[in-house]
Amino acid sequence: DSGVTQTPKHLITATGQRVTLRCSPRSGDLSVYWYQQSLDQGLQFLIHYYNGEERAKGNILERFSAQQFPDLHSELNLSSLELGDSALYFCASSVETGSTQYFGPGTRLTVL
Amino acid sequence: GNSVTQMEGPVTLSEEAFLTINCTYTATGYPSLFWYVQYPGEGLQLLLKATKADDKGSNKGFEATYRKETTSFHLEKGSVQVSDSAVYFCALSDPQGTGGFKTIFGAGTRLFVKA
Repeated sequence: DSGVTQTPKHLITATGQRVTLRCSPRSGDLSVYWYQQSLDQGLQFLIHYYNGEERAKGNILERFSAQQFPDLHSELNLSSLELGDSALYFCASSVETGSTQYFGPGTRLTVL
Repeated sequence: GNSVTQMEGPVTLSEEAFLTINCTYTATGYPSLFWYVQYPGEGLQLLLKATKADDKGSNKGFEATYRKETTSFHLEKGSVQVSDSAVYFCALSDPQGTGGFKTIFGAGTRLFVKA
């Protein structure tokens, strides 16, 4: 158990819908990272937040957005969902930027 | 841009065989390099890391050496066990000017170890 929690574990929704994925970092960790894992694209970095501020952006679509709240939990919002958004979404946390990342168990999103 | 290339799998070995999974990278500057392992149905776990050239990362019998001259970070283990069956990802940490970090992963190599 990494200490990072993600909810929900599974999510099934329809095209065009909007969903919110939640991540609670390990106690004391200030950085949160989001990743998408799919069969065709592999593991892709989406975004990095540090203490509430966005610090780095990867291949994140404009339909996706994220934020980190004052209590350091983070949410990833996915809107206008398409079939191709079906994937495993992981979050990870670290004490400082660049230090060892601890991954949560992931949220499996299925878009029908 | 920065990238990571690792050998395609699956790799199938018998128990106690020697394991090598090749990983090469392209990067400007001096990134940190990592190996992560993903067991079925789980998230990624850090296996080992190296932060500068010639550093050797090691954990649970696995080793990898940061070779700047060949831009490589190959994973090795002298004697694999059935419990090592998993997907292994090579990755590099790409610092951004904003103080953030992007982690770039290879495609992953699935390892099957037979008893």
